[in-house]
Amino acid sequence: DTGVSQDPRHKITKRGQNVTFRCDPISEHNRLYWYRQTLGQGPEFLTYFQNEAQLEKSRLLSDRFSAERPKGSFSTLEIQRTEQGDSAMYLCASSSSWDHGSSGNTIYFGEGSWLTVV
Amino acid sequence: GEDVEQSLFLSVREGDSSVINCTYTDSSSTYLYWYKQEPGAGLQLLTYIFSNMDMKQDQRLTVLLNKKDKHLSLRIADTQTGDSAIYFCAESIGGGFKTIFGAGTRLFVKA
Repeated sequence: DTGVSQDPRHKITKRGQNVTFRCDPISEHNRLYWYRQTLGQGPEFLTYFQNEAQLEKSRLLSDRFSAERPKGSFSTLEIQRTEQGDSAMYLCASSSSWDHGSSGNTIYFGEGSWLTVV
Repeated sequence: GEDVEQSLFLSVREGDSSVINCTYTDSSSTYLYWYKQEPGAGLQLLTYIFSNMDMKQDQRLTVLLNKKDKHLSLRIADTQTGDSAIYFCAESIGGGFKTIFGAGTRLFVKA
């Protein structure tokens, strides 16, 4: 078990460009989450997948943001026409619905992808 | 509503106990969590407690839950300089499908 992995770890982009982040969850986990964290704040929920279905999206997820999990395994988060306010760390997490009884819906985080928009 | 609040800073001396407090608002929360984040890294799960428990102990960590007051605390015994980090309180809501985090408490441990 290699844990949740995210790629790239760091991305610097010019305003207006598109960026895409990839997340590979823990292999047996069917739930996948994207969070955003800015300096001095806790992670803010963006969206959640169970298998390939996107079940919830936050109001924070504007129409410039799109997340996919086409085969129920890895996920991508794309930000189109980036703005300076998009600069943040984008965290991916995963969990297993079958662990709900033993450990709650404990989510396990990756190391995050830092985005800097200049 | 969904809101988790924590004090922003805590400073302790090495060897002392640290107590980090948190309040939450969703009475239907089934699980509450403590995560630790070191600089530039993701969040590491420290411990969790089910809402029908009052206390959970795990080595140097003790979690106390007062469900009536919606108050959660994390006590770290014999705090070490390596415990310096940001500690996040979180609650699982919406049937467990969503986890809401506080803004984090920055723990500084003085040698």
